Parts: sequence; C-alpha cells; structure tokens
Amino acid sequence: GDSVTQMEGPVTLSEEAFLTINCTYTATGYPSLFWYVQYPGEGLQLLLKATKADDKGSNKGFEATYRKETTSFHLEKGSVQVSDSAVYFCALSDRGSGAGSYQLTFGKGTKLSVIP
Amino acid sequence: ETGVTQTPRHLVMGMTNKKSLKCEQHLGHNAMYWYKQSAKKPLELMFVYSLEERVENNSVPSRFSPECPNSSHLFLHLHTLQPEDSALYLCASSQGIAGASSYNEQFFGPGTRLTVL
Repeated sequence: GDSVTQMEGPVTLSEEAFLTINCTYTATGYPSLFWYVQYPGEGLQLLLKATKADDKGSNKGFEATYRKETTSFHLEKGSVQVSDSAVYFCALSDRGSGAGSYQLTFGKGTKLSVIP
Repeated sequence: ETGVTQTPRHLVMGMTNKKSLKCEQHLGHNAMYWYKQSAKKPLELMFVYSLEERVENNSVPSRFSPECPNSSHLFLHLHTLQPEDSALYLCASSQGIAGASSYNEQFFGPGTRLTVL
C-alpha cells in the first residue's frame, strides 16, 4: 500500500536558518504530493502541492520538488521565522480508480520550533 | 461562517457516555472526511462520504458511527469509548468524486479534542 515517511522531529532552528524536512514515499500509482501545516490549536492547512514529476510547489517561501527518481518531496525554506513554528505533514494522493482514489496518506508529522 | 467548522472544540466523556461530534462545511464541497490524530502516529482516515457513498476504514471500531445527512454536515456518534480513543478528531471536506482527479485539496476544520476518562 501507499506510505509516506518523513523525518521525525522535533526540529529546532534559530530564526533565519535554512530548513529542510525530508519526505519520501511509496505508491503504486502516480501520486500527487502535498505538504500540510498545522499551527497550534488549528486544523491542517495546505501549504503547497505538486502533481507530477519535476513539478515544484511553492508558497510563503517554502518549496518542494517532486522527485520521481528518488521518490522524494523534501520541504525547504531559505530563512525561517518564528511564525513558521508548527507541525508539517507530508502527504500523497494516489491517482487510482474506485472509491479510494481521493484518499490522502499522511506522514507522521515533523514539529518545527523556531527560536528568536 | 466560512470554511469547515467543528463543534465542540473540547469534549471530556466517560466510557459509558454517548456523545456526538459535529462538522459543517460552507465550501460547497461534495466529500467529507473524519480523521483521528493521535500523538506520535500518522493521521488515520476513519470515514469518507462522497456523493452519498461511504468509504470506511475497516479498522475503525463500531463504537464510532458516522452520519452524513447532507453534503454540508457530518457527524461522528460516539458510544462506550475507551481511554485510547482520546485524540484530536479532525473533519475535512473536498470537491472530489471517486475515480476523479487525484489532487483534491482537503480543507480541515480545527478539530475536536476528545478525552475519554
């Protein structure tokens, strides 16, 4: 079955540091890939997405490139801010058929803390 | 109200109680979901409703019972829960139809923090 593996946290960085959160996946079809972010006390919000190989998703200074050859979708940001402190989830949606095709498979989440 | 709302935000219940969680989406979507978020575990998809079709995760115990009276409302009825059911329960919605495009962005509510004593 489909699965997503992301680096376990917590990750603690100083403000303006470079961020990388690794994510790899296994899927039987041709998945779309997502990063969701969960701020304290809130639900998940879509941060960025990529729907095919070599696509780059970007939003709010975050980027991730869909690498089919390495089955990866690592999240990066060049300069983090305190307001980026949150839990980040990598996820995939596999392009299958039948009732299960719209389901998302999530990684366990990586907690990021940015200190001033 | 906009987006996806959930009530209550916090719930404490005993193992013999019966309670219900409510989710409402104001986005005109046709699919709704229940997820369970426990510490140190991936989000677990519990139930999906799409165009009146229910897709169920087989590992969900029968003490959880979903109800989707229409495309805007989703309930999760709880009875005789166990302490290990304590978790954050998240509702989501999307514009998605079974067998259609894979990249259906799901919009999440803030969740209900459930504690079972």
